[in-house]
Amino acid sequence: AQKVTQAQTEISVVEKEDVTLDCVYETRDTTYYLFWYKQPPSGELVFLIRRNSFDEQNEISGRYSWNFQKSTSSFNFTITASQVVDSAVYFCALGGAGNMLTFGGGTRLMVKP
Amino acid sequence: GAVVSQHPSWVICKSGTSVKIECRSLDFQATTMFWYRQFPKQSLMLMATSNEGSKATYEQGVEKDKFLINHASLTLSTLTVTSAHPEDSSFYICSARESAAGANVLTFGAGSRLTVL
Repeated sequence: AQKVTQAQTEISVVEKEDVTLDCVYETRDTTYYLFWYKQPPSGELVFLIRRNSFDEQNEISGRYSWNFQKSTSSFNFTITASQVVDSAVYFCALGGAGNMLTFGGGTRLMVKP
Repeated sequence: GAVVSQHPSWVICKSGTSVKIECRSLDFQATTMFWYRQFPKQSLMLMATSNEGSKATYEQGVEKDKFLINHASLTLSTLTVTSAHPEDSSFYICSARESAAGANVLTFGAGSRLTVL
């Protein structure tokens, strides 16, 4: 069975602070994919990143960075210099061979001006 | 890039009526589409896997007679909520995998918010 845990249900920061969203996963698959999605109040899911299980390189995209550590089954997401527009619910998800995704419970990020 | 369109984006209906939600892949073919349900302030839960030309595969606990899924073509899957009740009020999101794309390249629709009065 696959499981994704996002222990932080809500985080509140002040603009310009850095914030890290945690994600821990469980799977028996040797090949799998990890994702982060952003869900703004409008509801649509915005794809942020996909990482396969064989690629442990960390990735940086602008103010976003991701730290994949297979040894601890974690795929954490950091936003540097947060902005009000970053306020949303962020979901970590795990995909296996069947292409269906298992989502974590989500972390609601509130960035205050 | 790949685009998935959902229609309607929101719908309000009376209890006892049926509602159909469409999920279309606009610029690619999708042999498989997925339907998710999201209650307020909760995560997305997979309801079923929709397979073109065959029966959908439902997740445990999802009533297949309640949530009818039809995937009649490579670009369209429909979810019909039959005899809707207030507890069916939810946000329904579909996703599609481009047939020619690599594994786990999924595109999500914008979601359909159903309110049953």
